[in-house]
Amino acid sequence: DIQMTQSPSSLSASVGDSVTITCRTSQTVSTSLNWYQQRPGRAPRLLIFATSTLQRGVPSRFSGGGFGANFILTISSLQPEDSAIYYCQQTYSPTRTFGQGTNVEIK
Amino acid sequence: EVQLVESGGGLVLPGGSLRLSCLTYRFMFGNYWMSWVRQAPGKGLEWVATINLDGSEKYYVDSVKGRFTVSRDNANNSLYLQMNGLRAGDTAIYYCARDSRSQAWSSDFWGQGTLVTVSS
Repeated sequence: DIQMTQSPSSLSASVGDSVTITCRTSQTVSTSLNWYQQRPGRAPRLLIFATSTLQRGVPSRFSGGGFGANFILTISSLQPEDSAIYYCQQTYSPTRTFGQGTNVEIK
Repeated sequence: EVQLVESGGGLVLPGGSLRLSCLTYRFMFGNYWMSWVRQAPGKGLEWVATINLDGSEKYYVDSVKGRFTVSRDNANNSLYLQMNGLRAGDTAIYYCARDSRSQAWSSDFWGQGTLVTVSS
């Protein structure tokens, strides 16, 4: 199975800051890497698919990049509603896997 | 708007069985692969199972192989997860999700989840 490593596990930043979350996979997944946001008590929400394509309705302050085994999610100009846990997921293999999550806290 | 509604969760004894259902609305169910994802209390997301369009291909996380079975009924727009031999470690919220082939197989719509508690 493809293993996922997200970092950091948590971060704290102020409104207006730019933050970056990293996701590394144990083998190449090409561009089959997706990002989800989960707010407390809610179901996950798809933010970005295929490494860098924004899901409909997702604010443009979210962006993704990378290729192969190294990927990033960037939130520019952090907003209060961005307080959530963010997960990466690989769908290169039919046995999908998620990263362990990054808790983003607003100072 | 697309909707997925899970049901069937509850409290079950270790070794027991439970069948989860996911009823879907307002999309062509038979045109989408579907998945189950779970989340143990206070933990992260764990992919559980995925089924293809006609149910001929099924994939499972190693920890549930041989115990869980994913199935679907395209005529009734429904997804199922039969869970046997339940263990305490299976305690979680179980989400069903729609997988989008055109979007790198990402899960673009999710249900609200149903809680399964395995405890004596």
